[in-house]
Amino acid sequence: GNSVTQMEGPVTLSEEAFLTINCTYTATGYPSLFWYVQYPGEGLQLLLKATKADDKGSNKGFEATYRKETTSFHLEKGSVQVSDSAVYFCALEYGNKLVFGAGTILRVKS
Amino acid sequence: DTAVSQTPKYLVTQMGNDKSIKCEQNLGHDTMYWYKQDSKKFLKIMFSYNNKELIINETVPNRFSPKSPDKAHLNLHINSLELGDSAVYFCASSRYSGGSPEAFFGQGTRLTVV
Repeated sequence: GNSVTQMEGPVTLSEEAFLTINCTYTATGYPSLFWYVQYPGEGLQLLLKATKADDKGSNKGFEATYRKETTSFHLEKGSVQVSDSAVYFCALEYGNKLVFGAGTILRVKS
Repeated sequence: DTAVSQTPKYLVTQMGNDKSIKCEQNLGHDTMYWYKQDSKKFLKIMFSYNNKELIINETVPNRFSPKSPDKAHLNLHINSLELGDSAVYFCASSRYSGGSPEAFFGQGTRLTVV
């Protein structure tokens, strides 16, 4: 079946540290891949997406590259801020349905 | 201007009651969804409607019944509420026109069954 696996959290970093949140997927065909972010008390917002192999999605300093050979879509940011503290969800789309990973809590300390 | 709005934001109710959550989107999207987020933040799709027709119905107790009066609205009615129904319920919408649908989410409804 189609599924998404994310690294477990929480991930705790100091401000300006480098961030990587791993995401791998299992899918039939070639799904589109997404990262969503959920700030405390809010709904999910699209952070970035990639629709085909080797595409790189980027937004607000975050990047992720669609790697077909490793079925991965890892999220990275060079220098995190306290305001990046949130829950990050990796997701894939197939058949008009978004399948989410379990979410990774990120806590950034000043 | 809220794109996807849900009401109420908080709902506290007793076991056995029947309650509804309403969702409206003003984005002109043709597909709407209900997701359930548990206490561990895990998100699971419950239902999806495309142009008022049910297209996804995951394994959800039949106490949950979605209703879509038009493309802009998708309500969720829950009968005989149980403690395990306590969660945050998110409505979302997207335009599915052959490309990758970006979903827009509402703020969520935190349901607490006591």
